[in-house]
Amino acid sequence: AQSVTQPDARVTVSEGASLQLRCKYSYSGTPYLFWYVQYPRQGLQLLLKYYSGDPVVQGVNGFEAEFIKSNSSFHLRKASVHWSDSAVYFCAVSPITEGADRLTFGKGTQLIIQP
Amino acid sequence: GGIITQTPKFLIGQEGQKLTLKCQQNFNHDTMYWYRQDSGKGLRLIYYSITENDLQKGDLSEGYDASREKKSSFSLTVTSAQKNEMAVFLCASSIDRVSGNTLYFGEGSRLIVV
Repeated sequence: AQSVTQPDARVTVSEGASLQLRCKYSYSGTPYLFWYVQYPRQGLQLLLKYYSGDPVVQGVNGFEAEFIKSNSSFHLRKASVHWSDSAVYFCAVSPITEGADRLTFGKGTQLIIQP
Repeated sequence: GGIITQTPKFLIGQEGQKLTLKCQQNFNHDTMYWYRQDSGKGLRLIYYSITENDLQKGDLSEGYDASREKKSSFSLTVTSAQKNEMAVFLCASSIDRVSGNTLYFGEGSRLIVV
């Protein structure tokens, strides 16, 4: 079975600074990889997803993620954060050979933006 | 675009009570899901439905029932509410069950057991 580890429960960065949120997964094959974001009192929204091709995938609002197969990682990055990026970010993995019901989420990383 | 509407936003019930959460989607998606979100634990799948009148158990189905009488709606019932079940319940839908499809989520319903 697959698993996802987000090692940082909370990350604090200053507005305008760069950001990296870490995600490592465990799965024997190549899965679909996702980053979802949950703004306060809202449901989750897709930021980006990856299956194949260029290992750096672009998402909404200036976010990108890099798939590094050798490290089983899919870290999320942003060059310059804004206060509106304050939210909880979830990394998720889904085996390509199974249904979307097998989507496994990490525990989430809360991003706090300092003025 | 579409929207997923969950009702109620807050559901307060007594221990042992049967409580029902409702979810409506206007995406015309085939597959719908119910997840439970506990603080610091990520999301765990309770039930999902591939199409109207279909029900499939997720990893956390014990203590819950579900109903999909129409394509656009998916209900979740807590059969006997317990205080350790206080959490946020998230409904989601996807165009179908194929892996890699984007899930679209509602805003959540918070269950409070007194």
